[in-house]
Amino acid sequence: SQKIEQNSEALNIQEGKTATLTCNYTNYSPAYLQWYRQDPGRGPVFLLLIRENEKEKRKERLKVTFDTTLKQSLFHITASQPADSATYLCALEGFNAGNMLTFGGGTRLMVKP
Amino acid sequence: ETGVTQSPTHLIKTRGQQVTLRCSSQSGHNTVSWYQQALGQGPQFIFQYYREEENGRGNFPPRFSGLQFPNYSSELNVNALELDDSALYLCASSFYSDANYGYTFGSGTRLTVV
Repeated sequence: SQKIEQNSEALNIQEGKTATLTCNYTNYSPAYLQWYRQDPGRGPVFLLLIRENEKEKRKERLKVTFDTTLKQSLFHITASQPADSATYLCALEGFNAGNMLTFGGGTRLMVKP
Repeated sequence: ETGVTQSPTHLIKTRGQQVTLRCSSQSGHNTVSWYQQALGQGPQFIFQYYREEENGRGNFPPRFSGLQFPNYSSELNVNALELDDSALYLCASSFYSDANYGYTFGSGTRLTVV
Protein backbone atom coordinates (compact mmCIF):
# COMPACT_ATOMS: atom_id res chain seq x y z
CA SER A 1 0.00 0.00 0.00
CA GLN A 2 1.03 3.62 -0.48
CA LYS A 3 3.04 5.01 2.37
CA ILE A 4 4.39 8.49 3.02
CA GLU A 5 6.79 8.98 5.90
CA GLN A 6 7.81 12.18 7.59
CA ASN A 7 9.86 12.40 10.74
CA SER A 8 7.30 12.29 13.52
CA GLU A 9 9.74 13.76 16.01
CA ALA A 10 9.79 17.53 16.32
CA LEU A 11 12.68 19.36 14.72
CA ASN A 12 14.20 22.02 16.97
CA ILE A 13 16.56 24.55 15.42
CA GLN A 14 18.03 27.93 16.27
CA GLU A 15 16.78 31.08 14.58
CA GLY A 16 18.79 31.92 11.48
CA LYS A 17 19.71 28.31 10.69
CA THR A 18 18.39 26.25 7.79
CA ALA A 19 15.65 23.76 8.60
CA THR A 20 15.52 20.62 6.47
CA LEU A 21 12.50 18.35 6.54
CA THR A 22 12.30 14.97 4.81
CA CYS A 23 9.45 13.19 3.04
CA ASN A 24 9.89 9.60 1.86
CA TYR A 25 7.31 7.57 -0.02
CA THR A 26 6.80 4.01 -1.25
CA ASN A 27 4.44 2.28 -3.69
CA TYR A 28 3.50 5.54 -5.37
CA SER A 29 4.25 7.31 -8.64
CA PRO A 30 3.07 10.86 -8.00
CA ALA A 31 2.47 13.50 -10.61
CA TYR A 32 3.03 16.25 -8.07
CA LEU A 33 4.45 16.61 -4.60
CA GLN A 34 3.19 19.43 -2.44
CA TRP A 35 4.22 20.94 0.87
CA TYR A 36 1.78 22.54 3.27
CA ARG A 37 2.11 24.39 6.54
CA GLN A 38 -0.40 23.79 9.32
CA ASP A 39 -0.76 25.81 12.50
CA PRO A 40 -2.66 24.43 15.53
CA GLY A 41 -6.42 24.47 15.01
CA ARG A 42 -6.10 25.65 11.41
CA GLY A 43 -6.29 24.05 8.00
CA PRO A 44 -3.16 23.36 5.93
CA VAL A 45 -1.80 26.25 3.87
CA PHE A 46 -0.25 25.52 0.46
CA LEU A 47 3.44 26.43 0.18
CA LEU A 48 5.03 24.81 -2.85
CA LEU A 49 4.33 22.27 -5.57
CA ILE A 50 6.93 20.36 -7.55
CA ARG A 51 6.25 18.14 -10.54
CA GLU A 52 7.62 14.66 -11.06
CA ASN A 53 9.90 15.90 -13.85
CA GLU A 54 11.34 18.78 -11.80
CA LYS A 55 14.33 18.46 -9.51
CA GLU A 56 14.09 21.66 -7.50
CA LYS A 57 11.71 24.54 -6.85
CA ARG A 58 12.29 27.73 -4.88
CA LYS A 59 10.07 30.38 -3.39
CA GLU A 60 11.61 33.12 -1.27
CA ARG A 61 13.27 31.34 1.70
CA LEU A 62 11.78 27.97 0.76
CA LYS A 63 13.35 25.29 -1.40
CA VAL A 64 11.98 21.87 -2.33
CA THR A 65 13.84 19.04 -4.02
CA PHE A 66 12.25 15.95 -5.53
CA ASP A 67 14.15 12.75 -6.28
CA THR A 68 11.85 10.19 -7.91
CA THR A 69 14.63 7.59 -7.91
CA LEU A 70 15.13 7.82 -4.16
CA LYS A 71 11.37 8.49 -3.72
CA GLN A 72 12.22 11.42 -1.50
CA SER A 73 11.59 15.12 -1.17
CA LEU A 74 13.53 17.55 0.98
CA PHE A 75 12.01 20.81 2.17
CA HIS A 76 14.37 23.59 3.26
CA ILE A 77 13.65 26.84 5.08
CA THR A 78 16.68 29.12 5.05
CA ALA A 79 17.27 31.86 7.62
CA SER A 80 14.55 30.35 9.78
CA GLN A 81 12.48 32.55 12.08
CA PRO A 82 10.35 31.77 15.15
CA ALA A 83 7.30 32.55 12.98
CA ASP A 84 8.21 29.52 10.87
CA SER A 85 7.32 27.26 13.81
CA ALA A 86 4.48 25.01 12.65
CA THR A 87 3.75 21.50 11.39
CA TYR A 88 4.80 20.88 7.81
CA LEU A 89 2.94 18.33 5.74
CA CYS A 90 4.12 16.58 2.61
CA ALA A 91 1.41 15.46 0.17
CA LEU A 92 1.50 13.45 -3.03
CA GLU A 93 -0.98 13.77 -5.87
CA GLY A 94 -1.48 11.29 -8.69
CA PHE A 95 -2.43 11.61 -12.35
CA ASN A 96 -5.93 10.23 -12.09
CA ALA A 97 -9.23 12.06 -12.18
CA GLY A 98 -10.54 12.76 -8.73
CA ASN A 99 -6.99 13.48 -7.72
CA MET A 100 -6.62 13.07 -4.04
CA LEU A 101 -3.82 14.26 -1.87
CA THR A 102 -2.13 11.57 0.17
CA PHE A 103 -0.54 13.21 3.18
CA GLY A 104 2.30 12.24 5.41
CA GLY A 105 1.90 12.57 9.15
CA GLY A 106 3.74 15.90 9.26
CA THR A 107 6.82 17.15 11.04
CA ARG A 108 6.61 19.79 13.73
CA LEU A 109 9.25 22.50 13.42
CA MET A 110 10.22 24.64 16.41
CA VAL A 111 12.49 27.61 15.73
CA LYS A 112 13.98 29.05 18.89
CA PRO A 113 15.06 32.70 19.13
CA GLU B 1 -11.02 37.10 -3.02
CA THR B 2 -12.50 35.02 -0.21
CA GLY B 3 -10.96 31.79 0.97
CA VAL B 4 -12.67 28.57 1.98
CA THR B 5 -15.13 28.90 4.84
CA GLN B 6 -16.48 26.02 6.89
CA SER B 7 -19.30 25.81 9.40
CA PRO B 8 -19.74 25.10 12.18
CA THR B 9 -16.28 25.44 13.70
CA HIS B 10 -17.00 23.02 16.54
CA LEU B 11 -19.67 20.39 17.04
CA ILE B 12 -20.47 17.76 19.67
CA LYS B 13 -22.69 14.84 18.70
CA THR B 14 -23.80 11.61 20.32
CA ARG B 15 -22.90 8.21 18.91
CA GLY B 16 -25.51 7.07 16.39
CA GLN B 17 -26.57 10.58 15.40
CA GLN B 18 -26.18 12.19 12.00
CA VAL B 19 -24.20 15.35 11.19
CA THR B 20 -23.95 17.77 8.27
CA LEU B 21 -20.89 19.95 7.75
CA ARG B 22 -20.81 22.82 5.28
CA CYS B 23 -18.19 24.39 3.08
CA SER B 24 -18.05 27.43 0.78
CA SER B 25 -15.37 27.15 -1.87
CA GLN B 26 -12.91 29.84 -2.79
CA SER B 27 -14.14 32.11 -5.56
CA GLY B 28 -13.21 30.70 -8.99
CA HIS B 29 -12.75 27.12 -7.76
CA ASN B 30 -15.00 24.38 -9.16
CA THR B 31 -13.76 21.34 -7.24
CA VAL B 32 -14.18 20.56 -3.56
CA SER B 33 -12.55 17.80 -1.55
CA TRP B 34 -13.14 16.66 2.01
CA TYR B 35 -10.50 15.32 4.39
CA GLN B 36 -10.58 13.85 7.89
CA GLN B 37 -7.70 14.64 10.19
CA ALA B 38 -7.29 12.75 13.46
CA LEU B 39 -5.22 14.34 16.18
CA GLY B 40 -1.50 14.16 15.44
CA GLN B 41 -1.97 12.69 11.96
CA GLY B 42 -2.07 13.97 8.42
CA PRO B 43 -5.39 14.55 6.65
CA GLN B 44 -7.04 11.55 4.98
CA PHE B 45 -8.99 11.94 1.74
CA ILE B 46 -12.71 11.23 2.03
CA PHE B 47 -14.02 12.25 -1.42
CA GLN B 48 -13.98 14.92 -4.10
CA TYR B 49 -16.82 16.61 -5.97
CA TYR B 50 -16.65 18.16 -9.43
CA ARG B 51 -19.64 19.38 -11.43
CA GLU B 52 -21.91 18.27 -8.59
CA GLU B 53 -20.84 14.63 -8.87
CA GLU B 54 -18.52 12.51 -6.77
CA ASN B 55 -15.22 12.38 -8.65
CA GLY B 56 -13.11 10.16 -6.44
CA ARG B 57 -13.42 8.52 -3.04
CA GLY B 58 -11.02 7.40 -0.36
CA ASN B 59 -11.35 4.44 1.98
CA PHE B 60 -14.41 5.63 3.87
CA PRO B 61 -17.72 3.75 4.33
CA PRO B 62 -20.94 4.76 2.55
CA ARG B 63 -22.26 6.45 5.68
CA PHE B 64 -19.96 9.29 4.64
CA SER B 65 -21.72 11.10 1.81
CA GLY B 66 -21.62 14.51 0.23
CA LEU B 67 -23.16 17.05 -2.07
CA GLN B 68 -21.86 19.85 -4.25
CA PHE B 69 -24.22 22.65 -5.22
CA PRO B 70 -24.29 24.74 -8.42
CA ASN B 71 -22.48 27.57 -6.62
CA TYR B 72 -19.71 25.02 -5.81
CA SER B 73 -20.46 25.01 -2.09
CA SER B 74 -20.56 21.57 -0.51
CA GLU B 75 -21.85 19.47 2.35
CA LEU B 76 -20.41 16.44 4.11
CA ASN B 77 -22.94 14.16 5.77
CA VAL B 78 -22.04 11.43 8.21
CA ASN B 79 -24.69 8.99 9.39
CA ALA B 80 -24.64 6.64 12.39
CA LEU B 81 -21.77 8.49 14.04
CA GLU B 82 -19.10 6.42 15.77
CA LEU B 83 -16.64 7.51 18.43
CA ASP B 84 -13.79 7.13 15.91
CA ASP B 85 -15.40 9.77 13.72
CA SER B 86 -14.14 12.39 16.17
CA ALA B 87 -11.69 14.45 14.14
CA LEU B 88 -11.05 17.72 12.34
CA TYR B 89 -12.93 17.73 9.02
CA LEU B 90 -11.30 19.83 6.36
CA CYS B 91 -12.74 21.11 3.13
CA ALA B 92 -10.38 22.03 0.28
CA SER B 93 -11.21 23.74 -2.99
CA SER B 94 -9.29 23.87 -6.24
CA PHE B 95 -9.72 24.46 -9.97
CA TYR B 96 -10.04 21.09 -11.67
CA SER B 97 -7.06 20.13 -13.82
CA ASP B 98 -4.97 23.05 -12.60
CA ALA B 99 -2.65 21.64 -9.99
CA ASN B 100 -0.19 24.51 -10.07
CA TYR B 101 -1.63 26.35 -7.12
CA GLY B 102 -2.33 23.52 -4.75
CA TYR B 103 -5.48 23.30 -2.74
CA THR B 104 -7.03 25.96 -0.54
CA PHE B 105 -8.15 24.54 2.78
CA GLY B 106 -10.67 25.88 5.23
CA SER B 107 -9.97 25.99 8.96
CA GLY B 108 -12.05 22.90 9.49
CA THR B 109 -14.88 21.68 11.69
CA ARG B 110 -13.84 19.98 14.92
CA LEU B 111 -16.32 17.13 15.46
CA THR B 112 -16.48 15.35 18.81
CA VAL B 113 -18.60 12.22 19.11
CA VAL B 114 -19.48 11.18 22.67
